Amino acid sequence: SYELTQSPSVSVSPGQTARITCSGDPLPKQYAYWYQQKPGQAPVLVIYKDTERPLEIPERFSGSSSGTTVTLTISGVQAEDEADYYCQSADSTGTSDVVFGGGTKLTVL
Amino acid sequence: EVQLVESGGDSVQPGGSLRLSCAASGFTFSGYWMHWVRQVPGKGLVWVSRIKFDGTSIVYADSVKGRFTISRDNAKNTLYLQMNSLRAEDTAVYYCVRGVGNFGDWFDPWGQGTLVTVSS
Repeated sequence: SYELTQSPSVSVSPGQTARITCSGDPLPKQYAYWYQQKPGQAPVLVIYKDTERPLEIPERFSGSSSGTTVTLTISGVQAEDEADYYCQSADSTGTSDVVFGGGTKLTVL
Repeated sequence: EVQLVESGGDSVQPGGSLRLSCAASGFTFSGYWMHWVRQVPGKGLVWVSRIKFDGTSIVYADSVKGRFTISRDNAKNTLYLQMNSLRAEDTAVYYCVRGVGNFGDWFDPWGQGTLVTVSS
C-alpha cells in the first residue's frame, strides 16, 4: 500500500488564500479527492478527480495536481471554512484499498 | 434527497460482535459501490471495506480482514457490516458512504455515522 501525506495544520486570515497539499507516489497515476469535515459533522466532498468541484460547493474551492502532489486551494477564505480537510485516492480498479491522508486542520485567524 | 442512515452502533466487550446497518434512500442503491469508513474521535478517516453494486467484489482493509464482513441487500436498500472478534482499537465512529465513479472511488454522500465502543 501507499501513504498520502498532509501537513497537520494551516492558518490563514479571512480573505486570504489557503493552500492545503497532499503528497503521495501514486498521485501522478491516480485521481485525488478532497473532503471537508467540520466538528461533529460527517465529511463532505469538496473536490473530485483532482480538479472537479461538485455543484453545491462554492467556487472559492479549487483543486490542482502536479506530479506527486495535489493541492486544495481556498480563495478568499471565510470563517465558515475552518475545518479539517482530508485528501483521498484510489486506483480505479475496485480491487484495492482506498487511502486517506492524515488530514489538515485549517484555522481561520 | 440522497440519504444514508447508519444504525447498530453500541458498546461491546472485547471479543464481542456487532452488526451495523445503513439504510439508503433517494437513489438507485443497486447501481452503486458502497463503503464503510471509520474515524476514532479526534483522529483521521480510515477506510474499512468496499462492496460492488452487485456484491460480486469485496475488499477489506488489512486491519479488519478475517474479522469483519461487508454485505448488502439490494432489495432492502441496505448495507451491512458484521463485526466479529472486536478489539479496543475498533472503537470509532463508522460511516456508511456511497462510492461514486466507475469503481466507486470517491465518496458522496456520507451518513451521519454510528459510534462503536469496544471496552471492558
